[in-house]
Amino acid sequence: EAGVTQSPTHLIKTRGQQATLRCSPISGHTSVYWYQQALGLGLQFLLWYDEGEERNRGNFPPRFSGRQFPNYSSELNVNALELEDSALYLCASGDGTPSSGANVLTFGAGSRLTVL
Amino acid sequence: AQSVTQPDIHITVSEGASLELRCNYSYGATPYLFWYVQSPGQGLQLLLKYFSGDTLVQGIKGFEAEFKRSQSSFNLRKPSVHWSDAAEYFCAVALIRGAGTALIFGKGTTLSVSS
Repeated sequence: EAGVTQSPTHLIKTRGQQATLRCSPISGHTSVYWYQQALGLGLQFLLWYDEGEERNRGNFPPRFSGRQFPNYSSELNVNALELEDSALYLCASGDGTPSSGANVLTFGAGSRLTVL
Repeated sequence: AQSVTQPDIHITVSEGASLELRCNYSYGATPYLFWYVQSPGQGLQLLLKYFSGDTLVQGIKGFEAEFKRSQSSFNLRKPSVHWSDAAEYFCAVALIRGAGTALIFGKGTTLSVSS
């Protein structure tokens, strides 16, 4: 079974540009989560998509956005890039059901975004 | 607000020695707790989880963790550390929001293994 796949592995952009990161969840998983792992800030929750809808977002500005496609893959867009957006962006998919109460998240290897 | 604290930023253990990584959480309801490991340049791998039941849970790679409600702790242990265990370890609590969850992570503990 294929795991969570993310692309690109590395991305270099300059300030003010836009970045698009992609994620394919494990087959059968409908939930996708995005996390930012910036140096010194740990793992911070960005966005959660389920069944094509944004269900929750963390404490990030609106220039962080995304979407989930009918095949449950997801895109994270970061507009007007700033230097502090440089980070590893991790995508995870969840295997839970509404009745189980908690998803166990499986993470991809991440996309490293560098903003110059 | 819900939070997870990992008091130790960096720990060095000799190969073959025992290991305990500390994790404390703040959460009003019964927590769902997790430990993940991240090797350099990699994503996160689930070591073990606690949802309910037996408070001592076994995970992969010989790790175990014990949930202590009275101490709001979920410490990770391994009886004998191997050099390949050197990595960053994250404790996390799941926030239940409707039909799904988002994980809140601690800042992580970096484990170094000396020979």
